[in-house]
Amino acid sequence: SYELTQPPSVSVSPGQTARITCSGDALLKQHAYWYQQKSGQAPVLVILNDSERPSGIPERFSGSSLGTTVTLTISGVQAEDEADYYCQSADNRGTYVFGTGTKVTVL
Amino acid sequence: QVQLQESGPGLVKPSETLSLTCIVSGGSLNNYYWSWIRQPAERGLEWIGRVYPSGSANYNPSLKSRVTLSVDTSNNQFSLKVRSVTAADTAVYYCARVYCSDISCWFDPWGQGTLVTVSS
Repeated sequence: SYELTQPPSVSVSPGQTARITCSGDALLKQHAYWYQQKSGQAPVLVILNDSERPSGIPERFSGSSLGTTVTLTISGVQAEDEADYYCQSADNRGTYVFGTGTKVTVL
Repeated sequence: QVQLQESGPGLVKPSETLSLTCIVSGGSLNNYYWSWIRQPAERGLEWIGRVYPSGSANYNPSLKSRVTLSVDTSNNQFSLKVRSVTAADTAVYYCARVYCSDISCWFDPWGQGTLVTVSS
């Protein structure tokens, strides 16, 4: 199996930019996906295929990829963006893995 | 719009089998993989496995020896069984549809989740 590593926490003031990284060897060959999980709720997909935004997700959410690291960027952070964020990828054997998770705190 | 709903006992005794069902509404099981994911309290997400309507399944290597996924296409639902449970299996269990592009897959939508506690 393989691992995806994220920073445990990120703190940001309202209106500023939050960047969350996710690193793992599998990201060289596989896309990454990002989920937002608010307290007591199920995860919601916010970025797919490294950088695509699903319908209904605000434009302030964006994704990028470079080598073995992908980054979720939240521009102009709002209080409602406070949540846990998880990256996710796959290997070529039909198995999946989630990142360790990052708690975003809006100061 | 596809919706998923988990159901099953909220309390399971140690060494017994945890059984959950995910009912899919608003769409067919056909042409998609379906997955189970769990999350212990205050911890991260753990992928358990995926199953296709044909019954073909893939599992997390760390759980493979204790887990079985199955599909009931006539009732548009799929199920999870975890054998020989311990307190470490206490978690919120989510079901989700697996959506795939050219080389990768993701989970969307998710069920609301159901808490399963392992305790005597």
